[in-house]
Parts: sequence; C-alpha cells; structure tokens
Amino acid sequence: DAMVIQNPRYQVTQFGKPVTLSCSQTLNHNVMYWYQQKSSQAPKLLFHYYDKDFNNEADTPDNFQSRRPNTSFCFLDIRSPGLGDAAMYLCATSRVGWDQETQYFGPGTRLLVL
Amino acid sequence: DQQVKQNSPSLSVQEGRISILNCDYTNSMFDYFLWYKKYPAEGPTFLISISSIKDKNEDGRFTVFLNKSAKHLSLHIVPSQPGDSAVYFCAASEHSGAGSYQLTFGKGTKLSVIP
Repeated sequence: DAMVIQNPRYQVTQFGKPVTLSCSQTLNHNVMYWYQQKSSQAPKLLFHYYDKDFNNEADTPDNFQSRRPNTSFCFLDIRSPGLGDAAMYLCATSRVGWDQETQYFGPGTRLLVL
Repeated sequence: DQQVKQNSPSLSVQEGRISILNCDYTNSMFDYFLWYKKYPAEGPTFLISISSIKDKNEDGRFTVFLNKSAKHLSLHIVPSQPGDSAVYFCAASEHSGAGSYQLTFGKGTKLSVIP
C-alpha cells in the first residue's frame, strides 16, 4: 500500500542534543510538509518542500531545519532541542494536480526532551 | 488569532444517532475545507473534503456542509458507530505557492460514540 512512513515513532533526546526525525513516502507526491502538534493543540505547519524548493513558515524557529535529498525522503533536524520542543511531529504529502489540496499524513513521531 | 475554530472540545453521542461536528473560520481566502480523523498515537487520516464552490459533499455515512456566508462548516455522521470515536480536525486550505497548499487546522473535537 502506498503510504507515508515516519521513523522512529517515539524519540527521546536530551536537552540540547541534536535529533533527526525522518519521513518517507511511497506515494510519489511532489510536496512534503512537516507539522508540529502539541497536546490539545492544532497541528502547526513548520515548513514544506515543493520538489526541491524549500518553504519556511515565518514563525518557524531557526532551531528547526529540514532536508529533502530525494522525492521519497524528508528529514526534520532539531539542532538544539529545548523542553518546549517536546511534541508530536507529523509529516504529510500532497500531489500536484488532481486532489492537490488534500494532504496525507504519516503516523507521527512523538518527541520527548529530557 | 485562530483562523479555524472548533468550539466544542468534546461531543458524546449514542450509537446509531447523528453526530454533528462544527467548525468556523475567519479567513475569506480559504477555498477548500477538509475533515481529518485522528486516533490516539496515529497521524490524522483524511476523511472528507469540500470545495468552496459547493455547499454539500457526501461520502457514505459522512456529509460535510459548507455555509460560506456564515464561514461555517459542519460534519454529519449518520448513523454514528463506536468505531467513529476519535478526534476530528477541521482544516482549511489556501494556495501557498506553486503546487502547494497550506492547511490551517482547528484544535479538534473529541467524539465519543456510546454503545
């Protein structure tokens, strides 16, 4: 089945220790998104890639970076995680053309910062 | 300021009855609306959507209604089943550049369907 995969599902890191979350997709979609969702909050868009073009949201902290080495993979790097970065991180994809407004989400990675 | 609001954090409905989840938005630039369903420890799953040129879209037990003048949409689930118990997110889309669309989410409504 075509899908969006996120690894790991749970990640524990220490305060200030860099961490990388990964997302892969078998949907062959052009666009990949990263969202942050804190408890009882709406998912908040951090950035997205349209093919190799990177688009950062204005209020996304510099502490968050992203890489998309190819169509299938996208990474979220948190350079120096703080306690406030503990959240669920969701990856999503969408295609250009038909059904382009619909985003398909992975299961998320729950990040815990100690 | 929240552009998409789901004012009911939770809703309980008896199995077999209708569930109505509501959503309000403020941004007139939104032109496409989606509902997602989310189980604990899983990502949101796309449920149903509606374009701003329509006022109703139906898919099986799920119907979404859009009232543009009131900037309001609702999701109806008939009949409700225990497996529908989940958090439902309303999302609104606007074009954010070539080929990509930005989704703005509400905070979600937790639906509990009681057997």
